[in-house]
Amino acid sequence: KQEVTQIPAALSVPEGENLVLNCSFTDSAIYNLQWFRQDPGKGLTSLLLIQSSQREQTSGRLNASLDKSSGRSTLYIAASQPGDSATYLCAVTKVTGNQFYFGTGTSLTVIP
Amino acid sequence: DAGITQSPRHKVTETGTPVTLRCHQTENHRYMYWYRQDPGHGLRLIHYSYGVKDTDKGEVSDGYSVSRSKTEDFLLTLESATSSQTSVYFCAIGLGGLAGRNEQFFGPGTRLTVL
Repeated sequence: KQEVTQIPAALSVPEGENLVLNCSFTDSAIYNLQWFRQDPGKGLTSLLLIQSSQREQTSGRLNASLDKSSGRSTLYIAASQPGDSATYLCAVTKVTGNQFYFGTGTSLTVIP
Repeated sequence: DAGITQSPRHKVTETGTPVTLRCHQTENHRYMYWYRQDPGHGLRLIHYSYGVKDTDKGEVSDGYSVSRSKTEDFLLTLESATSSQTSVYFCAIGLGGLAGRNEQFFGPGTRLTVL
């Protein structure tokens, strides 16, 4: 079974700092990796999708990278803002099948 | 906005009663999913569907059943609710690998409390 781990579970940084969130998975035979954001009491919002043939994706201040051989993905947030405060989750799908495996998330607080 | 709605958004019920949660999509996607989210466990897949009348179990399917009679609707039923089923339930749609993008989009969630 695919195991997905996100470390740290919580992170607090001052506004303006660049930061990296980590996602590790045990089975490198993944199809896609997706990063989400979840605000308290809300659903998940898709941030970035990295297909297995890609190494990174960028959207605004966000950059996600994928290294399948080492079973890792990172989400880089540049010039963090208080509005970035949320829980960030990663999810992977396998090459076959249609099940998604989620990490338990990193809770980010950006202090003004 | 992926056009996903869930109803009800909040529900309080008593142990032993049946409960049905509805997920509706406007995008005509083939794949739909039901998850539950609990502190310390993250998101766990309950059931998913890959077409009308085509469903399969996820990792926490015991005590739940699903039905999909139309592309746009995916129903989750708790036949006899228990307190352990108190949770936040999320529906999602999936692109199912269209153009290599096996991407999911989520609904707003249903908070269910079983007393």
